[in-house]
Amino acid sequence: GAVVSQHPSWVICKSGTSVKIECRSLDFQATTMFWYRQFPKQSLMLMATSNEGSKATYEQGVEKDKFLINHASLTLSTLTVTSAHPEDSSFYICSARESAAGANVLTFGAGSRLTVL
Amino acid sequence: AQKVTQAQTEISVVEKEDVTLDCVYETRDTTYYLFWYKQPPSGELVFLIRRNSFDEQNEISGRYSWNFQKSTSSFNFTITASQVVDSAVYFCALGGAGNMLTFGGGTRLMVKP
Repeated sequence: GAVVSQHPSWVICKSGTSVKIECRSLDFQATTMFWYRQFPKQSLMLMATSNEGSKATYEQGVEKDKFLINHASLTLSTLTVTSAHPEDSSFYICSARESAAGANVLTFGAGSRLTVL
Repeated sequence: AQKVTQAQTEISVVEKEDVTLDCVYETRDTTYYLFWYKQPPSGELVFLIRRNSFDEQNEISGRYSWNFQKSTSSFNFTITASQVVDSAVYFCALGGAGNMLTFGGGTRLMVKP
């Protein structure tokens, strides 16, 4: 079946640094990928929709200059948390829809846990 | 706007008990999809089921069963003869035309031996 790989699975960084998280569709092409954020013991909140070859669409309240999304190919989307601060510590999960698949057939990555010191 | 409500934030049962997780949704779309995901402590989301809005047939998969009732906008999930390995957070989610999912708040299920 479809597999989405996220890397790194966990990362610890110092405040003020930038962190890049990769989301790859391993065996399918994905024109659209989604980035979610999950705080401890809370639900997943959609941050942005990543579109291959065009700008990402951000949800209300999500700072696009803070969370840079690049979807340069049909198999890779990256989320860069710029100038990270402790409040950015969270679990980030991506999902991808196989271009040739039916609607709403989404595959989720295993998530990336970010801790900002 | 889409909304998913999982009224039960935490449920605790003893092994072998049956447990039902409730999910109520709101949407203006006529075509939509409903999902259940399991999130164990490791964090990854495990897909359990997808149901489209035109298919109200209940489904059973082993110890899992789902009851979709469009009239009450509910999509409840029952685990029969629960096991300790069922302990996790379970999310109900709603998908519309844009493929993005709206998640409920999740229900933390604790199955005690």
